Amino acid sequence: NAGVMQNPRHLVRRRGQEARLRCSPMKGHSHVYWYRQLPEEGLKFMVYLQKENIIDESGMPKERFSAEFPKEGPSILRIQQVVRGDSAAYFCASSPGVGYQGTQYFGPGTRLLVL
Amino acid sequence: QQQVKQSPQSLIVQKGGISIINCAYENTAFDYFPWYQQFPGKGPALLIAIRPDVSEKKEGRFTISFNKSAKQFSLHIMDSQPGDSATYFCAARIDSNYQLIWGAGTKLIIKP
Repeated sequence: NAGVMQNPRHLVRRRGQEARLRCSPMKGHSHVYWYRQLPEEGLKFMVYLQKENIIDESGMPKERFSAEFPKEGPSILRIQQVVRGDSAAYFCASSPGVGYQGTQYFGPGTRLLVL
Repeated sequence: QQQVKQSPQSLIVQKGGISIINCAYENTAFDYFPWYQQFPGKGPALLIAIRPDVSEKKEGRFTISFNKSAKQFSLHIMDSQPGDSATYFCAARIDSNYQLIWGAGTKLIIKP
């Protein structure tokens, strides 16, 4: 059973460009979470999605950031007009449900570097 | 409060020794406490988790001790090995919720 897959693993963008990060959840998982990790820090929740729905985006900056989880295909985290402060590791996790079904399994992350 | 405080920030232990990492929380509504292990360049991997109805959970060389009254929980790694060198994160969650609240991490180095 393949784990959570993320691509690309590394992404370099210049200031003002767009960054698109993709996440394919584990088979059978319909809940996806995105987290951001700055160096030497813990993960910070950004957004929680189910298929075609954003459930909670309270941790995501209101401008330039958006996320989607379409009926078909991976979840996408999109960052428009990137700035240097967006440089971080972005992790996606998936779970089969919430509550007692809510163990989150993480992908390998995408390391975004903004020049 | 939605914080989880983790200590120490870094830890060096001799091979074969016991590694102990501590976490404290304020929100008594938290009822799920996982520990994650992260190697450089990798995503966090679930190591072991506990719910507050038990005071201890052991899986192999890894043990979680939970003190509900003190609102503290800790990870003990027995017979620590160089392969255990990684960053360890504690986290907490209200089970009816989904947001994991993370500690800041402990960088563990096991010296051969």
